[in-house]
Amino acid sequence: SQTIHQWPATLVQPVGSPLSLECTVEGTSNPNLYWYRQAAGRGLQLLFYSVGIGQISSEVPQNLSASRPQDRQFILSSKKLLLSDSGFYLCAWSLDSYGYTFGSGTRLTVV
Amino acid sequence: KQEVTQIPAALSVPEGENLVLNCSFTDSAIYNLQWFRQDPGKGLTSLLLIQSSQREQTSGRLNASLDKSSGRSTLYIAASQPGDSATYLCAAGSNYQLIWGAGTKLIIKP
Repeated sequence: SQTIHQWPATLVQPVGSPLSLECTVEGTSNPNLYWYRQAAGRGLQLLFYSVGIGQISSEVPQNLSASRPQDRQFILSSKKLLLSDSGFYLCAWSLDSYGYTFGSGTRLTVV
Repeated sequence: KQEVTQIPAALSVPEGENLVLNCSFTDSAIYNLQWFRQDPGKGLTSLLLIQSSQREQTSGRLNASLDKSSGRSTLYIAASQPGDSATYLCAAGSNYQLIWGAGTKLIIKP
């Protein structure tokens, strides 16, 4: 069966520090991968999606970047975090029209 | 541009009642419609996925319907329990996109 792993679960980082969040998927090949952010009390915002290795589409201009170095690995990064980067980050995968499966999320607090 | 609306925004009912959550979308050209549950501070759990060619899906006490022609989906919860308390989100899926409703916050009172 397919599983999705996302880590860390929580992270507290100072302003200006770098960020690296990792997401891996098991049990499927060539999934579509997504990074979402959910600000406190707000809805889900799509940040990036990827349909294949090295292919990244960005939905909103921001301080973040994404990379897909392997088929089932998706990384969210920042060189210098801002206070506004705080939020709940969710990784997800989908395959064709078989719906989306989400990871358990990373709560990022930038202080 | 696809827009997804969920009504009501919040709902509080006594335990044991049957209830219906509503989701409407403006563009019927969707691949699927998915219902999720989110508990406070947690990730999203997929409840039901309805493909565009399907009319409904059932899982336990949950039943979701899809009417593409009218742009509506409903989530029916039978015999509600306090553990059903959560925010319920619907999302319309198209090419590499999920368009989200704002959610319905459900509270089941013991």
